Amino acid sequence: QLQLQESGPGLVKPSETLSLTCTVSGGSMSSSDYYWGWVRQPPGKGLEWIGSIYYIGNTYYNPSLKSRVTISVDTSKNQFSLKVNSVTAADTAVYYCARHEIEGTLAGFDVWGQGTMVTVSS
Amino acid sequence: QSVLTQPPSASGTPGQRVTISCSGSSSNIGTYYVYWYRQLPGTAPKLLIYRNNQRPSGVPDRFSGSKSGTSASLAISGLRSEDEADYYCAAWDDSPSGHYVFGTGTKVTVL
Repeated sequence: QLQLQESGPGLVKPSETLSLTCTVSGGSMSSSDYYWGWVRQPPGKGLEWIGSIYYIGNTYYNPSLKSRVTISVDTSKNQFSLKVNSVTAADTAVYYCARHEIEGTLAGFDVWGQGTMVTVSS
Repeated sequence: QSVLTQPPSASGTPGQRVTISCSGSSSNIGTYYVYWYRQLPGTAPKLLIYRNNQRPSGVPDRFSGSKSGTSASLAISGLRSEDEADYYCAAWDDSPSGHYVFGTGTKVTVL
C-alpha cells in the first residue's frame, strides 16, 4: 500500500533553511487525483497546514507562511520537498507529509507519513 | 491562529456519546466540505470523516459527522477508552486566497 516517509536534518540553526523530503512508495505521485502536502505540529500544539503541490508543480501555500516556504516535486524520484527559509524557534515542530485528495478544492489528507521532528536551535 | 474554532476539551464515560463542535465562517465551512481527523498520542493524524459525514473504510459507525451553516460537529457514540485522542476539523477556505485550514483541536478524555 502507499507509504510516505519524511527525511531531513533534525536540527537547524536559526536564520538558516529547513529542508525536508518526502519519499512516496507503493504508488506513483503522477496521479491527477491528488495533491501532496506538508503539515506541521509544534510541541503540544495543534496542526498547521503548510502547503500542497500537484505532480506537475502547481502549488497552494498557507498565506501566513507563503513568503518563507517553497514546495517542489520530483516525479522521477517519486519525491516532493519542503524548504522553509529564515527559520526561528517558532518553526520547531513535527513535520508530516501527506497525500491530499482533490474534490474541486483540496480535500482530506488520506495517507500520512510518520512525521519527523525538526528543532531550530543554535 | 486558526479560523476554525473547537472546544479545547471534551469528556465522557465509556458508552456515552460525546459531541465536538467546529465553528467557522462562510468562506470555509459555510461553502466547503468539512473533514475530521483523529490523532492518537505520538502518532500521525488519521482521516475520520470526509465530505461532512462520510466515513473512510475501516472507520466504525460510532463516528458521525454533520454540518449546518457555518458550523460542523463530530459525534462519538459508545465511547471507548481507545477514543481518547485529539480531534481536529478541517476545511478549504477561500479568503483571502484558497488555503486549507485545521481547527484548533479538541482533546477527548475518557473518564
